[in-house]
Amino acid sequence: DAKTTQPNSMESNEEEPVHLPCNHSTISGTDYIHWYRQLPSQGPEYVIHGLTSNVNNRMASLAIAEDRKSSTLILHRATLRDAAVYYCILRAFQGAQKLVFGQGTRLTINP
Amino acid sequence: EPEVTQTPSHQVTQMGQEVILRCVPISNHLYFYWYRQILGQKVEFLVSFYNNEISEKSEIFDDQFSVERPDGSNFTLKIRSTKLEDSAMYFCASKGSGQPQHFGDGTRLSIL
Repeated sequence: DAKTTQPNSMESNEEEPVHLPCNHSTISGTDYIHWYRQLPSQGPEYVIHGLTSNVNNRMASLAIAEDRKSSTLILHRATLRDAAVYYCILRAFQGAQKLVFGQGTRLTINP
Repeated sequence: EPEVTQTPSHQVTQMGQEVILRCVPISNHLYFYWYRQILGQKVEFLVSFYNNEISEKSEIFDDQFSVERPDGSNFTLKIRSTKLEDSAMYFCASKGSGQPQHFGDGTRLSIL
């Protein structure tokens, strides 16, 4: 499994943008970059995924470096509800591929 | 929005007893998974299930574990003889073809 590296923790203020980095220097050409998050006492929740191009959805944006060796999850305007552990995971999108979770980044949002 | 439902939310069982954790995946999903998370640790993959058979299982998923899709809606995880180290949150997930995995909120299993 290709490895990802994320900071253990980050802190931001409510209503400010948050940029969560992920390094994945050994990514293969068929690996999609997935982001999940886990709110306290809940199961993991899908946030966004991408392959090569930057992606936007109602929850976040995903910026992917041109060489695909790193990516950044962007929360445009953080709320207290965005406090969670964020996981960057590489996985082929088709088939029954399991998700391999690392320690993720624990995001704290200050009011 | 459809969601994965898990029951019970908390299960307390004596060591050595059998336990069944239940999940109702999202309708029309084809792939089913169980993960677990020991308190303070990472989420760990246990097993994936597709087309009525196990696709992949981890080293954790030994002979004490089994999965079943007894009807068109439920997906169960059975632990035959529970051990103290089986205490964890167990998450069920499902996905459709070409879609991300959707997780339930888990069952907290406490072994006494």
